Amino acid sequence: DGGITQSPKYLFRKEGQNVTLSCEQNLNHDAMYWYRQDPGQGLRLIYYSQIVNDFQKGDIAEGYSVSREKKESFPLTVTSAQKNPTAFYLCASSKTGGAPNTGELFFGEGSRLTVL
Amino acid sequence: DAKTTQPNSMESNEEEPVHLPCNHSTISGTDYIHWYRQLPSQGPEYVIHGLTSNVNNRMASLAIAEDRKSSTLILHRATLRDAAVYYCILREVPGNQGGKLIFGQGTELSVKP
Repeated sequence: DGGITQSPKYLFRKEGQNVTLSCEQNLNHDAMYWYRQDPGQGLRLIYYSQIVNDFQKGDIAEGYSVSREKKESFPLTVTSAQKNPTAFYLCASSKTGGAPNTGELFFGEGSRLTVL
Repeated sequence: DAKTTQPNSMESNEEEPVHLPCNHSTISGTDYIHWYRQLPSQGPEYVIHGLTSNVNNRMASLAIAEDRKSSTLILHRATLRDAAVYYCILREVPGNQGGKLIFGQGTELSVKP
């Protein structure tokens, strides 16, 4: 079945360590996104990519890095520079282009990162 | 980015209709109105979207004001599985900054049996 797969689902990290969250999609979507969600809050955009080898910062990119070497994959690295990394991380993808594209985003099930 | 305003929470009884309001007074002519919902510890799920006309699908209906400064998501018969946080979002036309979605706080809908 087509969809988005995020791994790991749960991750614990010590302070000062970098960690990479995986996001893979087999929907043949051009655009991919990373969001962060804190308890009781809405989603905030970290990075997004419209095409392979290109990506743009979202609203809270500091302390994070991404790469887009393949259309299917958009990994997110949470670096030690991120001051408060404990959160729920969500990856999404969508088609790009004009009508009749609905612009619907498909989300993965999320990765919950806890810094000890 | 144009913003949306939603009530923080709403309550409904099971099998009754639910009207979830959203204000977006600074909407631009090319912004689509999208609705997503999120169950606890899950990723958001697309519900419906529209531009100017009212829209219906198997999940819900979307009523858009004539001036497009507000919209209402309508769940025709709420079930316990509809309890979720509902997000009203304005999406830029694809091709402009990737058509990214900017999520607000959303409305937490609770459904009573």
